[in-house]
Amino acid sequence: NAGVTQTPKFRILKIGQSMTLQCTQDMNHNYMYWYRQDPGMGLKLIYYSVGAGITDKGEVPNGYNVSRSTTEDFPLRLELAAPSQTSVYFCASSSRTGIDFGSGTRLTVV
Amino acid sequence: AQSVAQPEDQVNVAEGNPLTVKCTYSVSGNPYLFWYVQYPNRGLQFLLKYITGDNLVKGSYGFEAEFNKSQTSFHLKKPSALVSDSALYFCAVRDVYGQNFVFGPGTRLSVLP
Repeated sequence: NAGVTQTPKFRILKIGQSMTLQCTQDMNHNYMYWYRQDPGMGLKLIYYSVGAGITDKGEVPNGYNVSRSTTEDFPLRLELAAPSQTSVYFCASSSRTGIDFGSGTRLTVV
Repeated sequence: AQSVAQPEDQVNVAEGNPLTVKCTYSVSGNPYLFWYVQYPNRGLQFLLKYITGDNLVKGSYGFEAEFNKSQTSFHLKKPSALVSDSALYFCAVRDVYGQNFVFGPGTRLSVLP
């Protein structure tokens, strides 16, 4: 199993540009999550999904959108990038007894 | 709603000494409790979990944690710290009915040679 795979690993965006962070998991987990982690800080939940076709907002959803068309994939969309979105983004998926994280995407908005 | 507190932002310990990283939680019903570690510029790695059974849980890299229901705590411990244990540690909780894992703010552990 590859686990949770995120792409890209690094990206530099200009203010106002858009991009999609890709996330896929091969563990058949229903629950998936997107977190952001600012330097030296903890995790903040952006969006989560409890299954295909179902998504919900987390703690910091503004400026982001998600979709969940399949169990495996949970892409995160940034429509108009802002410097405040400079962060490391982690995708995760979970069963009832554990949560698995991707390796992260380091995004810089300049 | 469930919540997790890690009362110490930073823990410093000398190499070879025992270490404790504290975690308390609030959840309705029985908790599922977890510890994760994050090394610099890396993702979060699973250390150990408590689901049910023995209150003392052993995990990766010599770490263990003790579930204390009366004190609603799940402190992470290691008998003898290594410099390589220096990292950011996160406690997390999920209740049996919940849909999300809730993470604490993290505790930075520094093990000094």
